[in-house]
Amino acid sequence: EDQVTQSPEALRLQEGESSSLNCSYTVSGLRGLFWYRQDPGKGPEFLFTLYSAGEEKEKERLKATLTKKESFLHITAPKPEDSATYLCAVQAIWGLSGGYNKLIFGAGTRLAVHP
Amino acid sequence: DAGVTQSPTHLIKTRGQHVTLRCSPISGHKSVSWYQQVLGQGPQFIFQYYEKEERGRGNFPDRFSARQFPNYSSELNVNALLLGDSALYLCASTLQGAYGYTFGSGTRLTVV
Repeated sequence: EDQVTQSPEALRLQEGESSSLNCSYTVSGLRGLFWYRQDPGKGPEFLFTLYSAGEEKEKERLKATLTKKESFLHITAPKPEDSATYLCAVQAIWGLSGGYNKLIFGAGTRLAVHP
Repeated sequence: DAGVTQSPTHLIKTRGQHVTLRCSPISGHKSVSWYQQVLGQGPQFIFQYYEKEERGRGNFPDRFSARQFPNYSSELNVNALLLGDSALYLCASTLQGAYGYTFGSGTRLTVV
């Protein structure tokens, strides 16, 4: 069964304390792995897409990496404004002819960065 | 450019009622997907529409239905509402399914 597991469920950091979030996945027909940021009561905001093992992408204090079974979101010297829920999702192809695709999300990691 | 817009932002319904949620995709995006996000969980796939045709359906009962219009906007309909339908309903659009999805801010549905 296709699934995505994120850990930890919640993470509390002091400002400037670097850490990593984990996303483990099992999926057939992987078409991409996505990281989103979600603020309370808002829709997910796109951060990164990774397509192949070994790929890395960076944006400000965030860096995403991908292996064949998991992805990491590294946060370097976080600030309070980085506090949010970080969602990981894999894009899988479904249907007899691969006619449609969907995102399978993990439950997210709630990050709180304190001054 | 306007992003994905959803309406209404919030609504409260009574058990057994019907609800219609609306979504306008980013201009040029022909694919719209709907997701349900229960508090504390990740979004769950409900439907995908592309070029006005249903391309996929998640594990949701027949009380859930959707359609896409010629201008690529979409409606999600839920009949016979249950308390468990209370959630944030998200719409996402994409140029074509293979690329990144852009989500709207969602509609917060509360069933009492």
